Amino acid sequence: RKEVEQDPGPFNVPEGATVAFNCTYSNSASQSFFWYRQDCRKEPKLLMSVYSSGNEDGRFTAQLNRASQYISLLIRDSKLSDSATYLCVVNQPGNTGKLIFGQGTTLQVKP
Amino acid sequence: EAGVTQFPSHSVIEKGQTVTLRCDPISGHDNLYWYRRVMGKEIKFLLHFVKESKQDESGMPNNRFLAERTGGTYSTLKVQPAELEDSGVYFCASSQGMVAKNIQYFGAGTRLSVL
Repeated sequence: RKEVEQDPGPFNVPEGATVAFNCTYSNSASQSFFWYRQDCRKEPKLLMSVYSSGNEDGRFTAQLNRASQYISLLIRDSKLSDSATYLCVVNQPGNTGKLIFGQGTTLQVKP
Repeated sequence: EAGVTQFPSHSVIEKGQTVTLRCDPISGHDNLYWYRRVMGKEIKFLLHFVKESKQDESGMPNNRFLAERTGGTYSTLKVQPAELEDSGVYFCASSQGMVAKNIQYFGAGTRLSVL
């Protein structure tokens, strides 16, 4: 079983749609969670950190469910520029900087 | 402010040759990480420097890989001799502060092709 699992997609949605991505992680002791965005042949860029209470940044909402070891990302009113790969990332428990990545979910927003 | 820079952006070498990848972290970041993505797989951790010291090298695949960070500034990752399975994208990241909650900033990666 992978440490961080995501549905690779692709998700093909029209502009203006709402789309949700899910991610599960295997280590219940994990403490830090992130969504990164990666455009084709570019570097991963932090989209949002994910907090227990859930957090929102404009059209993006991230949720964490520790009991189910589940992280989600909701994108409302999709834009063409949202097309990218979304990486679910978990920090290895303990005093370590090691990040554990999911395989990524590809989103294609079409006009 | 300059981000994490990596050089070269792309390297094509033959099996058995040596390649050295370079990473310049964001100025002032003590933490420097190397990651790798091989085709079809997720990005995987290789190692972590704090300043010039190796904090965690648990992800290094084998002794053909050697990472250094002399002086605690830029880092190099040498592969010698390169094998076909070493092909992939090598990312470098840097961060400051507490590692457990830090935000890591990534470079654009070096795309290595071993033929």
